[in-house]
Amino acid sequence: EVQLVESGGGLVQPGGSLRLSCAASGFTFSSYGMTWVRQVPGKGLEWVSAISDYGTTTHYADSVKGRFSISRDNSKNTLSLQVDSLRVEDTAIYYCAKNRYGSGSYVDYWGQGTLVTVSA
Amino acid sequence: DIQMTQSPYTLSASLGDRVTITCRASQSIGSWLAWYQQKPGKAPNLLIYKASTLQSGVPSRFSGSGSGTEFTLTISNLQPDDDFATYYCQQYNNFPLTFGGGTRVEIK
Repeated sequence: EVQLVESGGGLVQPGGSLRLSCAASGFTFSSYGMTWVRQVPGKGLEWVSAISDYGTTTHYADSVKGRFSISRDNSKNTLSLQVDSLRVEDTAIYYCAKNRYGSGSYVDYWGQGTLVTVSA
Repeated sequence: DIQMTQSPYTLSASLGDRVTITCRASQSIGSWLAWYQQKPGKAPNLLIYKASTLQSGVPSRFSGSGSGTEFTLTISNLQPDDDFATYYCQQYNNFPLTFGGGTRVEIK
């Protein structure tokens, strides 16, 4: 059974940083691209970032480019998202997601999300 | 960036109804479109990929069609608990991948 468990969310001040993590199990982690999607509570889904199976290719939404950094450790089956220079508008639930194929694929499994709140 | 526009924003329907949600892309995306269902407080769930291919385990009352810039998700015989939710389309033809704004299906 595919499981994706996010951690690392919390309350942070504007300009602060967090490192979100996602522990993956139930599939061969190194064979699939991975994605982060966020959602402001009560609002729609926003694609944030994706990474290829071996981490050689990364992609970002314009809204986070230069501030967020996606990475993965295939030896530990872990996906990460370093979020820096946080803004109030980055407040959202951040979902870790497994892609069906590479970095540019649709998502076939989702974690339950971790809430990031950016507030003074 | 490719803009994805869903309509309607909200849809009121009754048990057993057949409903259709439309998703339009600002430029051609071929058939590189997925549909997801999300229930309150839960993560989204994949329904359909490549515009019309049903994900394993998804009931056959869900169907998708379209290509290019116009796509539809049809739900036949609306079921209680299972189908009243918010639906999102997503294009995966070009980065940045983008979602539609969502369509909420509620009980009339």
